[in-house]
Amino acid sequence: DTEVTQTPKHLVMGMTNKKSLKCEQHMGHRAMYWYKQKAKKPPELMFVYSYEKLSINESVPSRFSPECPNSSLLNLHLHALQPEDSALYLCASSQGDRDYNEQFFGPGTRLTVL
Amino acid sequence: AQSVTQPDIHITVSEGASLELRCNYSYGATPYLFWYVQSPGQGLQLLLKYFSGDTLVQGIKGFEAEFKRSQSSFNLRKPSVHWSDAAEYFCAVVGGGAQKLVFGQGTRLTINP
Repeated sequence: DTEVTQTPKHLVMGMTNKKSLKCEQHMGHRAMYWYKQKAKKPPELMFVYSYEKLSINESVPSRFSPECPNSSLLNLHLHALQPEDSALYLCASSQGDRDYNEQFFGPGTRLTVL
Repeated sequence: AQSVTQPDIHITVSEGASLELRCNYSYGATPYLFWYVQSPGQGLQLLLKYFSGDTLVQGIKGFEAEFKRSQSSFNLRKPSVHWSDAAEYFCAVVGGGAQKLVFGQGTRLTINP
């Protein structure tokens, strides 16, 4: 299995809702990432987990809460989001946490906040 | 800090024509460089990568890229494009032990039939 899966594909939520995005990989990778991508822009790094520990948080607002329950699974919990948080949320994984470890991306979750 | 510049926001080429997408990076040491492709509404797929060694790198789908340290460039090429190559192309760099992929702004490729 050489892919990263993300669910759901699309999510519409109100500003008072709580929802979660899920990412899964079965490649034995030990680093996992969340990116946010606005329309016509490149992805921007949000969080990095290395060996199930949060290693990088790019000053993301607390309404985004990541979780890594095990080495194959990465969640992003969403609460009290704003309309400007509408974007494509991409998950990625890599074999390790070295710079030369290429990142494999999932198809993304298209989030719309009303 | 490292950065990447893709000077061309949008490029249009005819099917069967050759293609070159430009990428310039800024990084003090030898960078790790990547080219990714993204179809509309999809995730990113790695086309090729450069770490060290041979400066001409072969990738998937018939793409290649050449690392030129003197020009701080890592341009992507394909000798003959196909309509299925229409997509957004991102050049990216990582370095300094930060695990952070820094992307260029992307180049949107349109193919004329």
